[in-house]
Amino acid sequence: GENVEQHPSTLSVQEGDSAVIKCTYSDSASNYFPWYKQELGKRPQLIIDIRSNVGEKKDQRIAVTLNKTAKHFSLHITETQPEDSAVYFCAASSGYSTLTFGKGTMLLVSP
Amino acid sequence: GAVVSQHPSRVICKSGTSVKIECRSLDFQATTMFWYRQFPKQSLMLMATSNEGSKATYEQGVEKDKFLINHASLTLSTLTVTSAHPEDSSFYICSTGGGGASEQFFGPGTRLTVL
Repeated sequence: GENVEQHPSTLSVQEGDSAVIKCTYSDSASNYFPWYKQELGKRPQLIIDIRSNVGEKKDQRIAVTLNKTAKHFSLHITETQPEDSAVYFCAASSGYSTLTFGKGTMLLVSP
Repeated sequence: GAVVSQHPSRVICKSGTSVKIECRSLDFQATTMFWYRQFPKQSLMLMATSNEGSKATYEQGVEKDKFLINHASLTLSTLTVTSAHPEDSSFYICSTGGGGASEQFFGPGTRLTVL
């Protein structure tokens, strides 16, 4: 089955700095890579996703890059704000909507 | 996107009792729903895939006789934790989505505490 590794497990940045979270996956058949933001006690919220036919996608301060050859994808958040503080999960899907999640990254943005 | 609700949001029960959690897809006909469990400071772990009108598919290591799943309609899936024990205390989240590689829509989750 699919295995998704995510790093780092925690990330502390100053407000305004950039944050980068990296994930690798094992199944070359995976073709959908979403990123979720989860605040404490709440449901995961999709913040951006990318499919295997695209190498990069951007939405305002958030971008995701995908390297299919190396089987890794990354989340980039620029101009971080305190409200970006949360746990971020990457995921990969190789079949009918079955997602395998990474272990998560706790992002702390200090004012 | 699809709107998914869960009930109850929180439940506290005594060890040995059973607890039923409902997951509803309010505006989307969900032939498939997914149940996840999330322990504190950990990731979401898929427990089972709930299929409308047929048996659920359980992930390895998940006891199907302990975690009963019923998906009797296109809008409702239920997860019953039978004979709950303190180690079953967790955050249970359901989700649904479209076919193929597509976005998952998560319910708000149910916090289960077993005393």
